[in-house]
Amino acid sequence: DVKVTQSSRYLVKRTGEKVFLECVQDMDHENMFWYRQDPGLGLRLIYFSYDVKMKEKGDIPEGYSVSREKKERFSLILESASTNQTSMYLCASSSGGYNSPLHFGNGTRLTVT
Amino acid sequence: GENVEQHPSTLSVQEGDSAVIKCTYSDSASNYFPWYKQELGKRPQLIIDIRSNVGEKKDQRIAVTLNKTAKHFSLHITETQPEDSAVYFCAARVTGGGNKLTFGTGTQLKVEL
Repeated sequence: DVKVTQSSRYLVKRTGEKVFLECVQDMDHENMFWYRQDPGLGLRLIYFSYDVKMKEKGDIPEGYSVSREKKERFSLILESASTNQTSMYLCASSSGGYNSPLHFGNGTRLTVT
Repeated sequence: GENVEQHPSTLSVQEGDSAVIKCTYSDSASNYFPWYKQELGKRPQLIIDIRSNVGEKKDQRIAVTLNKTAKHFSLHITETQPEDSAVYFCAARVTGGGNKLTFGTGTQLKVEL
């Protein structure tokens, strides 16, 4: 069974702090994704990566960056956290196969005060 | 980019009744339409998917239909049970867009006893 692990379940940070959200998958998947989940807005794609050191902007990349130095690890970085980045963050991975499903982590609930 | 609209945002049914959730998409190049179920406090999980060369797919009590001409697809749940209570997300993937999924805003389904 695919396992996608997010390092923190809950995180509280102050405005202006640099925040790292970590995600690790154990299935040698090529593709990794960061989504943000807000009530009434669904799941919105922040960034994704097809391969090590490769990244592509999703629909809402402003205020975020990512890093993929190893195939199994995909990090989301908030350079200077703001209160409007308070949200649930979901990491996901998928294989490179055609229309392969997304496998999600349990999410990180980030609160920025 | 792709835009996916989902209705209704909330749906309440009596146990044993049927539930229907509808989604529309904007990009005619979309060719893959998965549905995810997210139970309270848990990660989204794939429950069924359909490809653009198929009009209908069924898996026990759930079915998905696709109308490419109208650019809409629907999830049908028959004989609903309390364990069907969850948030359901539709999604669409554009041909050539890699494995990037665009999600709808979600439907909170409540099955009442």
